Amino acid sequence: EPEVTQTPSHQVTQMGQEVILRCVPISNHLYFYWYRQILGQKVEFLVSFYNNEISEKSEIFDDQFSVERPDGSNFTLKIRSTKLEDSAMYFCASSVGKNQPQHFGDGTRLSIL
Amino acid sequence: AQSVTQPDIHITVSEGASLELRCNYSYGATPYLFWYVQSPGQGLQLLLKYFSGDTLVQGIKGFEAEFKRSQSSFNLRKPSVHWSDAAEYFCAVYSGGGADGLTFGKGTHLIIQP
Repeated sequence: EPEVTQTPSHQVTQMGQEVILRCVPISNHLYFYWYRQILGQKVEFLVSFYNNEISEKSEIFDDQFSVERPDGSNFTLKIRSTKLEDSAMYFCASSVGKNQPQHFGDGTRLSIL
Repeated sequence: AQSVTQPDIHITVSEGASLELRCNYSYGATPYLFWYVQSPGQGLQLLLKYFSGDTLVQGIKGFEAEFKRSQSSFNLRKPSVHWSDAAEYFCAVYSGGGADGLTFGKGTHLIIQP
């Protein structure tokens, strides 16, 4: 069964550095998403992406964050000038279309030191 | 804005016993409802979904859920749990329309006793 893949599984970064989290969505899916889960808290929506542009973003997704689909298969989340509170598990998801079930990757655990 | 409440943070069930995990949502219209499971170190796996139609939906791994509009609930059930069902379970709602993102509950941690 096709799945969403995320790399790396664990990223450790110094505060203030930039990180790029990578995702390969399911190949025939058109909508892509990023979520985060701070330890002990609920999964929170960050952003959705469709047709090479942001479709929707939450209040969390401020100027520190950006997303990109650099080629036909990858979908990336960039976090600039990381802060301690950015430490979390980041999940990528994709869906065939709007209103359709979202399929999640295994996540990238981001640790900011 | 829609919200999802999972009132039980932890539930302990004996292997072979039945299971019911509670989920309540707050949304004006009929939402799209989902249950996801997260095993340790893994991502979120979709167990089942409700969009419309029959209010009792069947999912993978022997799980089912019932949508009750009058109670704004979407409880997850399994008649007989297995040790491998130990995991974190998340209820989520998708309001559709202009919103793309799922709203998740805080999750219920299921512990299986031998």
